[in-house]
Amino acid sequence: DQQVKQNSPSLSVQEGRISILNCDYTNSMFDYFLWYKKYPAEGPTFLISISSIKDKNEDGRFTVFLNKSAKHLSLHIVPSQPGDSAVYFCAASASSGGSNYKLTFGKGTLLTVNP
Amino acid sequence: NAGVTQTPKFRILKIGQSMTLQCTQDMNHNYMYWYRQDPGMGLKLIYYSVGAGITDKGEVPNGYNVSRSTTEDFPLRLELAAPSQTSVYFCASKYSGGFWEQYFGPGTRLTVT
Repeated sequence: DQQVKQNSPSLSVQEGRISILNCDYTNSMFDYFLWYKKYPAEGPTFLISISSIKDKNEDGRFTVFLNKSAKHLSLHIVPSQPGDSAVYFCAASASSGGSNYKLTFGKGTLLTVNP
Repeated sequence: NAGVTQTPKFRILKIGQSMTLQCTQDMNHNYMYWYRQDPGMGLKLIYYSVGAGITDKGEVPNGYNVSRSTTEDFPLRLELAAPSQTSVYFCASKYSGGFWEQYFGPGTRLTVT
């Protein structure tokens, strides 16, 4: 039972355009969401996060949008650069119920930014 | 700071052998986690620890054991390795309190044949 779903295994965009990566979740207890970026042969690195009390969070070229009613979040990268080519993981956590900050990850989306 | 370090980077095991994957962090984080990532899949939590002497199972703990005798170290033990344990293993750590971001090590690629 996948609680965090990234339904697009891959996405290809042109340099300078917008990249939109999507993530859906099923567990209504999730109230904190994170995006991680992973290059081959490296560990994931934290990119940006959002709490359920917000619907948008920006950090430079990266913006995460949260739609709680739809249980959907998206990561926008504008403008996309070739160095953004990586696998992007969506992760979610619940602050209650003794979660101990455990993260549930999606399967990831491979983003390729073409020059 | 070196952050989270993992050794070895690569290892090939024969079925039935045992090994310990090492994880060390120098950020004085109380929380530490072990994940595995299979091809085309997300990361799945194996075990985690909220402090020295305290460990608990995650989503896929079977075939693994952990210990946490110090804040810095969180080794993962594989007993009687099986081909199903072929995976990339990541260790992560985080601050206590309201910080949610976990910091990951570079991973250990393990093959069991």
